[in-house]
Amino acid sequence: EPEVTQTPSHQVTQMGQEVILRCVPISNHLYFYWYRQILGQKVEFLVSFYNNEISEKSEIFDDQFSVERPDGSNFTLKIRSTKLEDSAMYFCASSETGGQAPGTQYFGPGTRLLVL
Amino acid sequence: DAKTTQPPSMDCAEGRAANLPCNHSTISGNEYVYWYRQIHSQGPQYIIHGLKNNETNEMASLIITEDRKSSTLILPHATLRDTAVYYCIVRAVSNDYKLSFGAGTTVTVRA
Repeated sequence: EPEVTQTPSHQVTQMGQEVILRCVPISNHLYFYWYRQILGQKVEFLVSFYNNEISEKSEIFDDQFSVERPDGSNFTLKIRSTKLEDSAMYFCASSETGGQAPGTQYFGPGTRLLVL
Repeated sequence: DAKTTQPPSMDCAEGRAANLPCNHSTISGNEYVYWYRQIHSQGPQYIIHGLKNNETNEMASLIITEDRKSSTLILPHATLRDTAVYYCIVRAVSNDYKLSFGAGTTVTVRA
């Protein structure tokens, strides 16, 4: 069964450093998403991406964040200058369609980011 | 901006059916009901979704009331591996890409 994969599974970085989280969405999917979950809190939407541009983003997704689909398989989330409060689990998701049902989103296992 | 209300927790006996309620009294005609679960900080796992008809797949059944203001997710024979946080999410058909997760229901299946 196709699945979303994410690398690395864990990432430790120093405050102020840049990190890139990588995702390989399901191969025939066209819509890609990033979510995050701070420990003990809700899963929060960050951004959705389609046709090489952002289709929707949340207030969390400020200028320190960027997304890119550098090739035909990878989807990345870059955090330019990490802060302590960026420590969280980051989930990538993908779907065949976007707003139209049945645009079911399938999630990867996540990357646990720890900013020291 | 929560659109759904779920009990914070519930217990279920292994092998029995687990019935998870969800209230979505302000649901609009173009909004679907989605259910996901999250097992111990893993990525959310899709379970099922529906608009107004009852739905069943290999994982669960979804019963939506006729007025669509509430729904019930049924896990027919709960196992210990079904212990997870279950999220009921209302999502519009168009122009609404994101899934808005609430706190969900923590379901504990006991042997």
